[in-house]
Amino acid sequence: GDSVTQMEGPVTLSEEAFLTINCTYTATGYPSLFWYVQYPGEGLQLLLKATKADDKGSNKGFEATYRKETTSFHLEKGSVQVSDSAVYFCALPNDYKLSFGAGTTVTVRA
Amino acid sequence: GAGVSQSPRYKVAKRGQDVALRCDPISGHVSLFWYQQALGQGPEFLTYFQNEAQLDKSGLPSDRFFAERPEGSVSTLKIQRTQQEDSAVYLCASSLGLRDRGSPLHFGNGTRLTVT
Repeated sequence: GDSVTQMEGPVTLSEEAFLTINCTYTATGYPSLFWYVQYPGEGLQLLLKATKADDKGSNKGFEATYRKETTSFHLEKGSVQVSDSAVYFCALPNDYKLSFGAGTTVTVRA
Repeated sequence: GAGVSQSPRYKVAKRGQDVALRCDPISGHVSLFWYQQALGQGPEFLTYFQNEAQLDKSGLPSDRFFAERPEGSVSTLKIQRTQQEDSAVYLCASSLGLRDRGSPLHFGNGTRLTVT
C-alpha cells in the first residue's frame, strides 16, 4: 500500500537555525500529503497539507512542496524557535486511513 | 467540548488485567478512528467507525482488542488480558464527514497505557 518514509531523528538545533525534515512517499496515484506535529503533552495536529503535485503547503513559518518528480514532501522552516520543539510526522491517506512516518523529534535550544 | 477528549490520560495495568479507554469525539463528527502509537513510532491504524458502524477493524492486533461506538458518538477501546507489548499511546481521532483522501483528522491527546 501507499506509504511514507521519513528522516530519522532526533534533530537538535539552535534558535534561528534552518530546519529540514525529509519525507518521501510511495503511492500508486497522487494522494494528498500531510505534515502533522505533536507538541509535548499534546495531541497530533495538522501542520500543513498539499493536495496535488507542485502544491506548497505552509503554516506557522513551515513550508513543504509536493514534488512528483522526486516523490518528496520535505518540511522546511527558515528560522526555528524554541516553541517549534516537537515531533513531526509525515503522512498520507491510504483510502480512509492515514499512514504515518516514524516521526522526527526536533529540539530547538535557546 | 472544543476537541476530541480521551480518558484516562494515563493507565497502568498489571499484565492480564482488562482495560477500557474512552474517546469523546467532537460533537457531530461521523467518522472515528483509533490508532496505536508505540514508543518512537508513528501512529498505526487500529479501527474505523462511521457513526455506530465499525467498518474496518483490520488493524486490531489480536482478538483481545475490541472497540465499540454504540450510539455513534462516544467510543470505547477495550483490551482484555493485557500484555506488555500492548504498552503504547492509544490515539482517537474524528472527522466531520465521511472519510476521503483529503480530509484531515482531529486527534485527542491520547491515553498512555503501561502494562507492568
